[in-house]
Amino acid sequence: KNQVEQSPQSLIILEGKNCTLQCNYTVSPFSNLRWYKQDTGRGPVSLTIMTFSENTKSNGRYTATLDADTKQSSLHITASQLSDSASYICVVSLLSGGYNKLIFGAGTRLAVHP
Amino acid sequence: DVKVTQSSRYLVKRTGEKVFLECVQDMDHENMFWYRQDPGLGLRLIYFSYDVKMKEKGDIPEGYSVSREKKERFSLILESASTNQTSMYLCASGAPRRQGATEAFFGQGTRLTVV
Repeated sequence: KNQVEQSPQSLIILEGKNCTLQCNYTVSPFSNLRWYKQDTGRGPVSLTIMTFSENTKSNGRYTATLDADTKQSSLHITASQLSDSASYICVVSLLSGGYNKLIFGAGTRLAVHP
Repeated sequence: DVKVTQSSRYLVKRTGEKVFLECVQDMDHENMFWYRQDPGLGLRLIYFSYDVKMKEKGDIPEGYSVSREKKERFSLILESASTNQTSMYLCASGAPRRQGATEAFFGQGTRLTVV
């Protein structure tokens, strides 16, 4: 079964600290993996997208890694800010019937406290 | 700047009402999607469309229908709203279907409450 599991479910950190969010998937055939940030009451916004051959990709203070062998990805946030408080969603894309189908994780809810 | 616009941010409807959720994108994308998002479940695909007048069922189509009369507009219809359809509804559009082109852009969401 195609699934995306994220951990932890929720996380509280202090402003300025680093944190790492995890994503494990059992999706085949794999096309690519994205991390989205979703502010409360808003739609998700893409942070990074990684294909099979990419191991690391950065977007400012966000760094995503991908291990296609173990089917794991992580999102590392450096020097967290209050504005990083949001849900972070891992999305894996697979090719199905000629179309890309998106499999969503349930998300990690991050709270950054001053 | 890409834009996916949903007609309402918040909506309250009564049980049994017919509900229309509208979504418009200005990126000339072929693919459009409707999801619902519930706590602890992530986003679940209701319907998607890969072309005008075309539609495909997603993972949870029961109780919903869709309409795509124009490329830029994708409507989700709740024929007879029920309380278990209270949820956040997200519309998304995506790049043309080809391998590797999978960026999905989301609207701001519609929080629907059925009472």
